[in-house]
Amino acid sequence: EAGVAQSPRYKIIEKRQSVAFWCNPISGHATLYWYQQILGQGPKLLIQFQNNGVVDDSQLPKDRFSAERLKGVDSTLKIQPAKLEDSAVYLCASGSSFTQYFGPGTRLTVL
Amino acid sequence: KQEVTQIPAALSVPEGENLVLNCSFTDSAIYNLQWFRQDPGKGLTSLLLIQSSQREQTSGRLNASLDKSSGRSTLYIAASQPGDSATYLCADGGNNAGNNRKLIWGLGTSLAVNP
Repeated sequence: EAGVAQSPRYKIIEKRQSVAFWCNPISGHATLYWYQQILGQGPKLLIQFQNNGVVDDSQLPKDRFSAERLKGVDSTLKIQPAKLEDSAVYLCASGSSFTQYFGPGTRLTVL
Repeated sequence: KQEVTQIPAALSVPEGENLVLNCSFTDSAIYNLQWFRQDPGKGLTSLLLIQSSQREQTSGRLNASLDKSSGRSTLYIAASQPGDSATYLCADGGNNAGNNRKLIWGLGTSLAVNP
């Protein structure tokens, strides 16, 4: 079974630039999550999708972050414009009610 | 607000030692508890998931226990190896059944196993 795919793996941008991350979940998983993990901290849930509907986006900074999941499969997370404090690993996960399966993450560095 | 605490924050042991990582949670109605492994700069790998009705789960050299009454879970690693070096995170699976469940994370224990 193929795992959760994410790209790119690494991204370096300057502040005020825009960036987008892509996630392809495990086939058949209706639920998809985006997390932000700052160094030394646990993952912070940014947004949770059920199929292509948003279940929880209470911690998504909506003034600069946006996410979509077209057709209930792939998802993209965008940051526009980026700030220094957005430097983190962005993790995508898909899963069922019982567990979540994580992708390798995208390490974002904002200079 | 539910919280998850992991102690110690960092641990360094010689190869071959048996060790225990601790996780405390405040959620008395916990649905499940999950242990993850994270290698530096990488994603998370699920190690063990314990449902609230279970007391422990085992996978190879790993054994995780769950004590709801005391709000504690432990991850036991037998005969540690240098390849076990990583950060171990525990997560409270929340107390809402169904798909609208938010994991509550500890900060992790950074483990170094020295050859």
